[in-house]
Amino acid sequence: QSVLTQPPSASGTPGQRVTISCSGSSSSIGSNTVYWYQQLPRTAPKLLIYMNNQRPSGVPDRFSGSKSGTSASLAISGLQSEDEADYYCASWDDSLNGVVFGGGTKLTVL
Amino acid sequence: QVQLVQSGAEVRKPGASVKVSCKASGYTFTSYHIHWVRQAPGHGLEWMGIINPSGGTTSYAQKFHGRVTMTSDTSTSTVYMELSSLKSEDTAVYYCARKPNRGGLVATDYWGQGTLVTVSS
Repeated sequence: QSVLTQPPSASGTPGQRVTISCSGSSSSIGSNTVYWYQQLPRTAPKLLIYMNNQRPSGVPDRFSGSKSGTSASLAISGLQSEDEADYYCASWDDSLNGVVFGGGTKLTVL
Repeated sequence: QVQLVQSGAEVRKPGASVKVSCKASGYTFTSYHIHWVRQAPGHGLEWMGIINPSGGTTSYAQKFHGRVTMTSDTSTSTVYMELSSLKSEDTAVYYCARKPNRGGLVATDYWGQGTLVTVSS
């Protein structure tokens, strides 16, 4: 059971906009910033969004993040086939004094 | 170029220990913290802890307290993660990942290739 809650799956067609939600608590998302990771099959995770809505260099602006209260969302616009991957949200948790991840959302591009 | 190269796959029996290495190159080793994250087959990511190679200060996930030890060797620019009292549930790919100096505590920029640890009798 993950500390952060994500839907196990999401899907969309090419060109569509999809969102993935991440629900936490007052000690995690409610008090700290949110990160999003993308994991393509059989590869190491890659940082997609940091500090709620910041994109590392090289990440397309099709990816955006937001946070409100104890929840966060990742939005992917102009969906492409190469976006098919697992997506994880993460945050620091003050109660656990550590990094916590969501269970991951498998995105399928139909 | 920045690289994190991990040691090869390991097989251990329940109750044994395993030590995974992560050799850094292409940057000043002592200037960046290293996270350890694991992923069991078909499962999600799980944070194990973080080490500051400069001085060796560590912070471990509560779940692994007493079982995990992270160390660093500045002479070889290598960090190590040792996990003891292994159980079958510890079967996973173990990753090291560098934390950039900007972006917050949960950020990473470079990852190792992963080390599969299999625990089986």
